[in-house]
Amino acid sequence: AQSVTQLDSQVPVFEEAPVELRCNYSSSVSVYLFWYVQYPNQGLQLLLKYLSGSTLVKGINGFEAEFNKSQTSFHLRKPSVHISDTAEYFCAVTIKAAGNKLTFGGGTRVLVKP
Amino acid sequence: GAVVSQHPSWVICKSGTSVKIECRSLDFQATTMFWYRQFPKQSLMLMATSNEGSKATYEQGVEKDKFLINHASLTLSTLTVTSAHPEDSSFYICSAKGTSGKGRETQYFGPGTRLLVL
Repeated sequence: AQSVTQLDSQVPVFEEAPVELRCNYSSSVSVYLFWYVQYPNQGLQLLLKYLSGSTLVKGINGFEAEFNKSQTSFHLRKPSVHISDTAEYFCAVTIKAAGNKLTFGGGTRVLVKP
Repeated sequence: GAVVSQHPSWVICKSGTSVKIECRSLDFQATTMFWYRQFPKQSLMLMATSNEGSKATYEQGVEKDKFLINHASLTLSTLTVTSAHPEDSSFYICSAKGTSGKGRETQYFGPGTRLLVL
């Protein structure tokens, strides 16, 4: 079975500073990787995904992530955050073969301070 | 991205009543839909997976008779919480996935339904 670890439960960051959210996964088979963002009292919005191809994936709202197979990581980055980026961020993985269930990390709460 | 809607967005009901939540994929055909439950400040917990025209597959510990799931079409799945009790109060989120186009290999989530059972 696969698992996902988000190492930081909370990340405070000042406005216009860069941010990196760490995500590591474990799986014995090939996976698809996702980052979702959840604003208060809302569902999850897809930020970006890695299915195949280039390991550097660009998503919405200026976010990007890099798939590193050797380190089994899929860290999310943004070079300059805005107050509106304050939210909960979830990393998730699904097995390529099954392509069904998502396994989520515990989430990272980003608080952008002015 | 693809669009998934949920209705209602919030509901308050009395203990013992049943509540139905709808999940619709608006711009793609959802061969598979998922229902999650989320407690405050926690990650999502998968409750069940439903494939169009088939019975839902429930995760361990989820009561099939309490959480009835129907996926009658490629754009609609419903979750009915039967005989709801206060401990069923939670944030319920659905997601949808297809096999081609926008929904391929990717789950798109609805906005969630907050249920409060008094």
